[in-house]
Amino acid sequence: KAGVTQTPRYLIKTRGQQVTLSCSPISGHRSVSWYQQTPGQGLQFLFEYFSETQRNKGNFPGRFSGRQFSNSRSEMNVSTLELGDSALYLCASSGASSSGRIWGSFFGPGTRLTVL
Amino acid sequence: AQTVTQSQPEMSVQEAETVTLSCTYDTSESNYYLFWYKQPPSRQMILVIRQEAYKQQNATENRFSVNFQKAAKSFSLKISDSQLGDTAMYFCAFMKDNAGNMLTFGGGTRLMVKP
Repeated sequence: KAGVTQTPRYLIKTRGQQVTLSCSPISGHRSVSWYQQTPGQGLQFLFEYFSETQRNKGNFPGRFSGRQFSNSRSEMNVSTLELGDSALYLCASSGASSSGRIWGSFFGPGTRLTVL
Repeated sequence: AQTVTQSQPEMSVQEAETVTLSCTYDTSESNYYLFWYKQPPSRQMILVIRQEAYKQQNATENRFSVNFQKAAKSFSLKISDSQLGDTAMYFCAFMKDNAGNMLTFGGGTRLMVKP
């Protein structure tokens, strides 16, 4: 199976702009999660989508939003960018066995966002 | 809320030797999963090993094994026969069962394997 793909891989924006990141999960996986990774804060959970519905949400301001489409692809949007939003944004695709046991989250290569 | 702590920010090991990375966590949940992830310089996060809390048997994946002590809330990773390609950041992560796929990560341990 193909792995998780994220586009774009690199992005440079200026303060006040908005940005949309895209993630395509592993075929058959219905859950997509987003994480922000920074040197200062480490890895922080943003939100999770499952079957087009937000199932979990982390502690981020409303400028961070997401959605999931019927084919499980997900997008994440950040509006009114701030310098502190510069980070590696990781998308993770998760699946489960027929008995409901979690296999784990499989990550994409990330999108490196730089806000100037 | 869950917390995950990795008390060793950096470690080094000689090639072919064994190294153990520590992880402790705090939770009031009884059913959960624990994971170790590896992030090499390429930044690609790779799942190394997973452990289900209800299983007492420690998980193993080739050269990687864990020591899961549920009562002590400890979940260490042992890497045997260390290889240069094991050089990476290693993250311990916690996930509640039946609550979606939300990982809580530790701060990471930077492992350097020396030739």
